[in-house]
Parts: sequence; structure tokens; C-alpha cells
Amino acid sequence: QAQLVQSGAEVKKPGASVKVSCKVSGYSLKDLSMHWVRLRPGKGLEYMGGLDPADGVPIYSQRFQGRLTMTEDTSTDTAYMELSSLTFDDTGVYFCAIDLSGGYSSMDVWGKGTAVTISS
Amino acid sequence: DIQMTQSPSTLSASVGDSVTITCRASQSISGWLAWYQLKPGNAPKLLISKASNLQTGVPSNFSASGSGTDFTLTINSLQPDDFASYYCLQYNTYPWSFGQGTRVEIK
Repeated sequence: QAQLVQSGAEVKKPGASVKVSCKVSGYSLKDLSMHWVRLRPGKGLEYMGGLDPADGVPIYSQRFQGRLTMTEDTSTDTAYMELSSLTFDDTGVYFCAIDLSGGYSSMDVWGKGTAVTISS
Repeated sequence: DIQMTQSPSTLSASVGDSVTITCRASQSISGWLAWYQLKPGNAPKLLISKASNLQTGVPSNFSASGSGTDFTLTINSLQPDDFASYYCLQYNTYPWSFGQGTRVEIK
């Protein structure tokens, strides 16, 4: 059974970067497409980006272009999401999620989320 | 990016009521639409994939339909556990995108 374990909560200053990890167990990361989703206080779910399985290239939502970097270490089955130039508006919970169905179901297994707080 | 317009943003209902949430895509997404349930402190839960396919373990009072640009999620006979927020997600085209969400609250 697939499980995603995310890194712990982070507190960052404005202008800094944050890097969140997501370790996959039960499956090999190289066989999966990893996605990242954000939930800010009082706001809705935001799709940040995901790995296009067609070519293995990460695709980022327009609002995160230039600030978001998604990487993977397949030797440890760990994915990373790095968001730079943080502002107070980036405070929220960041989720990783995978699709086990090979494209049919979208995101069916989720991590528990990593809380990121931007504070001066 | 494909824009997803979801309505209503809030819905007040009582236990036993039936409610419908709609989602419209800015361009055709065929049937590549999912519905998620979100409760405070939890990760989103996938309810329905491919527009109308109920995930294993999801109660049968949930149903969904649609194709192209217009989709609906119906919850029949609302149960106490169904009061939550719901989101549609298009996964036809990268980057994927969510609707703005619908909060189903107790009247």
C-alpha cells in the first residue's frame, strides 16, 4: 500500500525559500507522477505543479512559475518541492499526492501535509 | 491554464437533504474531472474520478456526471459526515486546476 510521508512544519522569513520533502513507500517513485497542492487559510485548494509522465518534465501552474522547483531523488524515493521568494501570502499547508492508477484517477494517495508559516 | 468555475461557494442544507454542486471548465476536458472532499486538518479525499466513477469505499449517496465542460456532483440524503468542502479538479491538461470549492454547511 502506498504511503507518502512529508517533512515537518517550517517557519520562514519573507524572501526566504522553503523545501518540503515527500517520501514514497510501497512504490517506486520513478513509476509514479508526483503532484503538489497548497491550501492557504481561508482559501481553496491550489494545484501547484506535477510531473508530466509523458516526458518526466515538471509542469508548474502559472501563478508559481519562476518560484517553484519540483525535484526527485529516485534512489531514496523522495520528492521535493522548493518555493522561493516567500511572502506572507505563502503561509499554508502543502500537500504531495500521487496517482496510482496511471492517469485514470488523478491524485488518489496524499501526504498529510506540511505546514509552512511565513513570519517576520 | 484551464479555469474551473465551481458553484455555489457555500451551500446550507439539513441532514437528509439532497444537494448539487456544479463545475464548469473554460474549455473541454472530456471526462477528466475528479471530485474531492476536504475536511479541516485532513488531506483531500478523492471521491470520484473520470467524471462519474465512485472510488472504492465512498458512500453510494454520492454521484456525479458530466462531460466536456459541464459537470455536477450530487449528494443525496446528506449525512452528518458529509458536511465538508468539495472541490472539482480537471486533469485533462497540465497544469491541472481546481475549482474554487463549495462549503456544505449545516442549516
